[in-house]
Order: sequence, then structure tokens, then C-alpha cells
Amino acid sequence: GQNIDQPTEMTATEGAIVQINCTYQTSGFNGLFWYQQHAGEAPTFLSYNVLDGLEEKGRFSSFLSRSKGYSYLLLKELQMKDSASYLCAVKRSGAGSYQLTFGKGTKLSVIP
Amino acid sequence: AAGVIQSPRHLIKEKRETATLKCYPIPRHDTVYWYQQGPGQDPQFLISFYEKMQSDKGSIPDRFSAQQFSDYHSELNMSSLELGDSALYFCASSLGGTGILHFGNGTRLTVT
Repeated sequence: GQNIDQPTEMTATEGAIVQINCTYQTSGFNGLFWYQQHAGEAPTFLSYNVLDGLEEKGRFSSFLSRSKGYSYLLLKELQMKDSASYLCAVKRSGAGSYQLTFGKGTKLSVIP
Repeated sequence: AAGVIQSPRHLIKEKRETATLKCYPIPRHDTVYWYQQGPGQDPQFLISFYEKMQSDKGSIPDRFSAQQFSDYHSELNMSSLELGDSALYFCASSLGGTGILHFGNGTRLTVT
């Protein structure tokens, strides 16, 4: 099975930087993915890591340490529209490799 | 750009009735996924298809079945509906079974 853990809620100020952590336990790791989901809407893909290190994509960056089973999503220059849930998701290799297993999400509130 | 299209957007059914949800993936995407998301919950993987064959199965109840047709659209059939089936049902598609999923806007099913 898979265990994915991330904080339930976070609050940050507009213009600031926020880091959302995710820890996971899985067999046959084949990628860590981050999705953004606004309330009542579909998840949208943000970033992914297969190898250790930092992936930067504009205001969003994601980091992975496979040995520690740890990832984080870094959001810079926060905007009000970044208020959403951020879902960490793990993909396995081998059997069950087509499914993406999501964590429970971190609800981020950006305040003025 | 074309997105994943789901129909209907909203569906209200009574207990023990049946429902059929439809999904039209992005053109040339060969993998389709179905997810169920209850209120305040993370998306739960139900089932996936790669090139019209079932590729993976998650927590899909025996009362549900799905298939992918020759034109790549997919349908999720739900029978003997229960109150607990009330949720948002997302379909997603990808190219080659990657973890980069493109989600449709979902079907909100309410069972009364």
C-alpha cells in the first residue's frame, strides 16, 4: 500500500513564499506529482519529480528526496488566486503503475 | 486546446437506481482514468484503461463497471446506487500512462 502525508491546512501572506511538505511510503516508486485543486473544480497538474533534486517552473518549484520519502512544493510571490488545495500524489512502478494515488491535500489560504 | 469532456455535469438519482457517466478524453490520449472524490476528501482511484483495455483497478465497488470504447470514450456504469455514492466523479486522460493527468470538470452525482 501507500502512505502519503501532508499538512491539512496552511495560511500565508500575499507576496510571501510558502513550502508545502509531503512524505510518502510506497513500494516501487515511479514519480511524485503535485496538483492544484480549487474548491469544486478539477485538479490541475503543477509539477513532478522522478529523480532527486529541485524542479523549477516559474513561481512553483518541487523538490524530491527518494531516500527520505520526502517532497515539497514551493510557491513564491504568493497571489490570492493561489488559495487552493495542493495534492501530493505518488506513482508506482510495476503492478498498479497506472494509478496515481493522492494524499489528502493541503488547503492553502493566502491572506492580504 | 481540447480538454477532457464529461457528461452530465450534474446528476440526481434515487437509491437503487442506475447511472451512466460519460468521458471523452483529449484526442490522441491513450489512457483514461476514473476518480471519485467525496466532500473534503482526496480523489480516490477507481479504474483506468490503456488502449481500450483495463490497465489498473482501484477501489471500485462491484456495483460499478466501466469500459472504454473504440473511439476512446469511456463510460462508468453505476448500479444499485447508495447514498454514499454521492460524490464528484472525475475522468482524466493522459498520453502513455504518465502521471500527468488532464482532468475533466467532473460529474456531481447526488443520490437521494
